Amino acid sequence: DAKTTQPNSMESNEEEPVHLPCNHSTISGTDYIHWYRQLPSQGPEYVIHGLTSNVNNRMASLAIAEDRKSSTLILHRATLRDAAVYYCILRDSGAGSYQLTFGKGTKLSVIP
Amino acid sequence: EPEVTQTPSHQVTQMGQEVILRCVPISNHLYFYWYRQILGQKVEFLVSFYNNEISEKSEIFDDQFSVERPDGSNFTLKIRSTKLEDSAMYFCASSVGRGETDTQYFGPGTRLTVL
Repeated sequence: DAKTTQPNSMESNEEEPVHLPCNHSTISGTDYIHWYRQLPSQGPEYVIHGLTSNVNNRMASLAIAEDRKSSTLILHRATLRDAAVYYCILRDSGAGSYQLTFGKGTKLSVIP
Repeated sequence: EPEVTQTPSHQVTQMGQEVILRCVPISNHLYFYWYRQILGQKVEFLVSFYNNEISEKSEIFDDQFSVERPDGSNFTLKIRSTKLEDSAMYFCASSVGRGETDTQYFGPGTRLTVL
C-alpha cells in the first residue's frame, strides 16, 4: 500500500469544524482513500472513503485534492464523542490484498 | 444495526498456555479478519479468512496461530503456546466483500494479558 502521512495530533474546540489532513504523494490511480477512526478502548470504525470526487456521509466529509496527493477529512461540528485516533488508509483495487494497513494516525482531542 | 461481537472482553493466561479468542461476525459477511494492537502501537493485520480457508496472512501469523470457523456463526483465533509478547488487544473484523470499497467492521476487541 502507498504510504500516508498524518500529523500526530490535533486539537479542536467542541462544536467547531475540524479539518484532518492526510498526505499521500505516491498514490496510484487505482488507490481508494479510506478513513477509519478508533475511539478510546474500542475497535477501529469506518468513517468514509473516496476515489476522486469529494464525498459526504452522515459522519463526515472527505475532500480530495485535484491531483489526489492529499485529502482532508472534515468533521463539521466536533463533539466530545469525536475524540479518537483518525487513520487515513489507501486501498489499491489491483493489489489483491485484503488487509487494512494502519499507520499511527492523528489523535484528535476535543476541548469542551 | 448489526455488529461484530467478541468474547471474552479480557483474557488473562499464563505463558505457554493455549487461548482461543472468539468472534461472531456480521451474519451476511463473507470475509473475516483478525488484527492485533500492542499497547501504544499501531493496529496490525494478522490474517484474513474466506470460504473456510486463509486468504492472506502477515509475518506475525506464524505456526503458533490458527483460525477456524467451527460453525456458521463463530470465527476463532487460537494461540497455541502464548508468549509474553502476545499480550495485546485482538480485534476481529468482517466484511461483505474484499474489494477496495468494502468496509471492514470491527468488534470491540479482546484484551489478552499473558503473565
